[in-house]
Amino acid sequence: NAGVTQTPKFQVLKTGQSMTLQCAQDMNHNSMYWYRQDPGMGLRLIYYSASEGTTDKGEVPNGYNVSRLNKREFSLRLESAAPSQTSVYFCASSALAAYNEQFFGPGTRLTVL
Amino acid sequence: SQELEQSPQSLIVQEGKNLTINCTSSKTLYGLYWYKQKYGEGLIFLMMLQKGGEEKSHEKITAKLDEKKQQSSLHITASQPSHAGIYLCGADGGSGNTGKLIFGQGTTLQVKP
Repeated sequence: NAGVTQTPKFQVLKTGQSMTLQCAQDMNHNSMYWYRQDPGMGLRLIYYSASEGTTDKGEVPNGYNVSRLNKREFSLRLESAAPSQTSVYFCASSALAAYNEQFFGPGTRLTVL
Repeated sequence: SQELEQSPQSLIVQEGKNLTINCTSSKTLYGLYWYKQKYGEGLIFLMMLQKGGEEKSHEKITAKLDEKKQQSSLHITASQPSHAGIYLCGADGGSGNTGKLIFGQGTTLQVKP
C-alpha cells in the first residue's frame, strides 16, 4: 500500500500561472483534505471532502478550487498563483470524517515568484 | 473560532531526559490528535484522545487529556534521538464530528546524544 501520494513534490510558479496539485489514496477512505503549512502557523485546512461527491471550504479557501474526482483522488487547483500561496501543501485522508486518524501525504513544496 | 496554543515552541533536551509538551485550547476539545513531523516530511499519527481524563501510551510516549477537555499534554520518557522532530496537536474545529482539524503551531524537539 502506498497510502497517500502527492504529485509533484516540488514546483516553482510565476505569479499568475495556474497549476493543479494531485492527491490519491489507496486505503478506500471516504474523507480527504488539503492543508497548507507555513512557518510558525501550523497547518491550516484549505478544503475538505467528507465523502465522494462533496466538498466544503476550510479555514483558508480563497484562491483555491478542489475536485473530488472519484473516491481515490482529490485535486487542488490554483487558478492564478500569488506569492502568498508559497507554502508546503499536504493532502490527507481518513476512513470517516469524525474521530478518525488522518493519514498524510509527503507534501508538495510550492514556490510562487 | 477555536485556537490551539502549544508550549514550549522549542525544546532541546539531553538524551535520556523526560520532557512534556502542552496543548491548550480556547474551547472544549472534541477529539484531540497528536502528530509528529520530521523536517520536510508528512505527519505521522501518534494518538487520539476523546474523553476527559483519558490517557494513552505508545512505547515511551504518553498523552493525556484533562478532565475539562481544554488541555492535553504529551510526555516522552527517557528521550532518544529518534524522538526529535516537530510535534503538533490538532483538534476538530467543529463539534467533534466534522474532521475539520485545526492545529497548534508545533513544538520543535531536539535530542542531544
